[in-house]
Amino acid sequence: GQQVMQIPQYQHVQEGEDFTTYCNSSTTLSNIQWYKQRPGGHPVFLIQLVKSGEVKKQKRLTFQFGEAKKNSSLHITATQTTDVGTYFCAGPGGATNKLIFGTGTLLAVQP
Amino acid sequence: KAGVTQTPRYLIKTRGQQVTLSCSPISGHRSVSWYQQTPGQGLQFLFEYFSETQRNKGNFPGRFSGRQFSNSRSEMNVSTLELGDSALYLCASSRPGVNTGELFFGEGSRLTVL
Repeated sequence: GQQVMQIPQYQHVQEGEDFTTYCNSSTTLSNIQWYKQRPGGHPVFLIQLVKSGEVKKQKRLTFQFGEAKKNSSLHITATQTTDVGTYFCAGPGGATNKLIFGTGTLLAVQP
Repeated sequence: KAGVTQTPRYLIKTRGQQVTLSCSPISGHRSVSWYQQTPGQGLQFLFEYFSETQRNKGNFPGRFSGRQFSNSRSEMNVSTLELGDSALYLCASSRPGVNTGELFFGEGSRLTVL
């Protein structure tokens, strides 16, 4: 079945450093979504990318959808302690188009 | 506008018992999806309901079942609980007419099976 992998699984940075997580799907995606889950919390939608090669920015966060629509990345510039959490990518998969979540990247930020 | 509400938030059961979890979606949202989250397996899709009909189903045994009511509220049931069923069960709703659009998650129901 379709798989969505993310790397790294875990990243520890000093506050102010940059952070990037990569998402790779085994199949082409019609769109990719990104979610953030704070420790002890629930996933919260960040953004959706639809077009091949699309780049979107939200303040210090930059999201990119690959040209082949099989990979995506999330880059955070100058991390802050409020960025702590697990970042998931998700894409529709299978015949029924259900949303399949990536394995997630846990970001720890040391002040 | 109230968010997705899940009850109970925490529960402890023993092996062999059954459990029912409830989810009230955001008002106006007709699609409800359920996910199981565990440290080892991540977010695994259980099933999706739309207008009282199961639209999608994940790869879980028949012990996991669900339903949706006419007011879009949904319940999921796990029978004959096993230790491995310990997890955070998340419910999510989405806007009507939007396929694979943004999911709005509830706080989750954390199930511990002893």
